Amino acid sequence: DAKTTQPTSMDCAEGRAANLPCNHSTISGNEYVYWYRQIHSQGPQYIIHGLKNNETNEMASLIITEDRKSSTLILPHATLRDTAVYYCIVRSGGGADGLTFGKGTHLIIQP
Amino acid sequence: KAGVTQTPRYLIKTRGQQVTLSCSPISGHRSVSWYQQTPGQGLQFLFEYFSETQRNKGNFPGRFSGRQFSNSRSEMNVSTLELGDSALYLCASSLVPGADTEAFFGQGTRLTVV
Repeated sequence: DAKTTQPTSMDCAEGRAANLPCNHSTISGNEYVYWYRQIHSQGPQYIIHGLKNNETNEMASLIITEDRKSSTLILPHATLRDTAVYYCIVRSGGGADGLTFGKGTHLIIQP
Repeated sequence: KAGVTQTPRYLIKTRGQQVTLSCSPISGHRSVSWYQQTPGQGLQFLFEYFSETQRNKGNFPGRFSGRQFSNSRSEMNVSTLELGDSALYLCASSLVPGADTEAFFGQGTRLTVV
């Protein structure tokens, strides 16, 4: 699976959009981009995933650049409960190797 | 719809003992994966099961094993426990294996080895 690079930490004001970047410059054509988040000591929570098109669900939007070398997770109206570690993961087409978690981005929502 | 259920939530064991952890996937999900999370190594993939067969295994010693039953429930076993096995063990379930299938995690079992 391709490696990902994320900022170690970010701050965002409550009520504003939180934009979390992820670089995956070595991604290959059949690899998906996944986002999970983990609130302290809980199991990771699935947020969204995509291949090349932008995706939106009730939690967030995923914007993937045309060359697929980077992506941005957008939480449209951040709340204090969105404070968590956010993981950007690239997963190969076979999917047999599980999810490879890096260190993620610690997003802190400020009141 | 119930989520992924892991039991027990907390466990304390002594070095040298063995332990069995249980995972009940979301109803209808047939793929189960296990992960270990420690402060030093982060979240690491242990193994994945589908249709009672292990599809892949991460870089862990043979003391870590698992199995899946016909109802998709899964167990993992760690034998000859070491202090370094203290961790949060997480189970994730998905409908089927594959890169285009989201996995949903349970709350984990916190294992402490003393």
